[in-house]
Amino acid sequence: AQTVTQSQPEMSVQEAETVTLSCTYDTSESDYYLFWYKQPPSRQMILVIRQEAYKQQNATENRFSVNFQKAAKSFSLKISDSQLGDAAMYFCAYRSGWQGGSEKLVFGKGTKLTVNP
Amino acid sequence: ETGVTQSPTHLIKTRGQQVTLRCSSQSGHNTVSWYQQALGQGPQFIFQYYREEENGRGNFPPRFSGLQFPNYSSELNVNALELDDSALYLCASSFNGGRARSSYEQYFGPGTRLTVT
Repeated sequence: AQTVTQSQPEMSVQEAETVTLSCTYDTSESDYYLFWYKQPPSRQMILVIRQEAYKQQNATENRFSVNFQKAAKSFSLKISDSQLGDAAMYFCAYRSGWQGGSEKLVFGKGTKLTVNP
Repeated sequence: ETGVTQSPTHLIKTRGQQVTLRCSSQSGHNTVSWYQQALGQGPQFIFQYYREEENGRGNFPPRFSGLQFPNYSSELNVNALELDDSALYLCASSFNGGRARSSYEQYFGPGTRLTVT
């Protein structure tokens, strides 16, 4: 079974600074997808960024980028120019690429990010 | 484009009762997944529905059941409620069109907060 580990329960960053959230995962599959989701106090889970395992290039979405190290099974999220609205719980998630099963997401326990003004 | 909606927002039930939670998928999506998120934890996969049939199930007992309707909306039913069922229940929708056309991302609704007393 796949597992996702987020070793930082809480992180803080100054507004306009850069912060990196860590995520490691365990799988025997070669085809899979990785995601970062943001969950603000409003509770709604918002997709931040996606990475396909077969792509060597790291995904970027505006101020958000990932460092995907497939051999090390590491998938960190970098937030540049942090804004107050970035404060939230961040969850790393894994999805198998195998089409024979469900598309379930396996989540880590989350990292609470605080942005200080 | 209409996002994922869930009802009700909050619900309080007594141990032993039954509850039904509802989810409307995002426009164009045909797959619905349900997750349970206990306080301070990441979401846990309950089950997924595709083409009105269960397409994968997590480690949840049979008293958790579901339905998907022809319009792709879905219900989650929980019988014989237990105190540990108190959690945020998240619904997510996605598009499964086969490997070449699936969206792979899941988009979440705002959740239903269930409290069992």
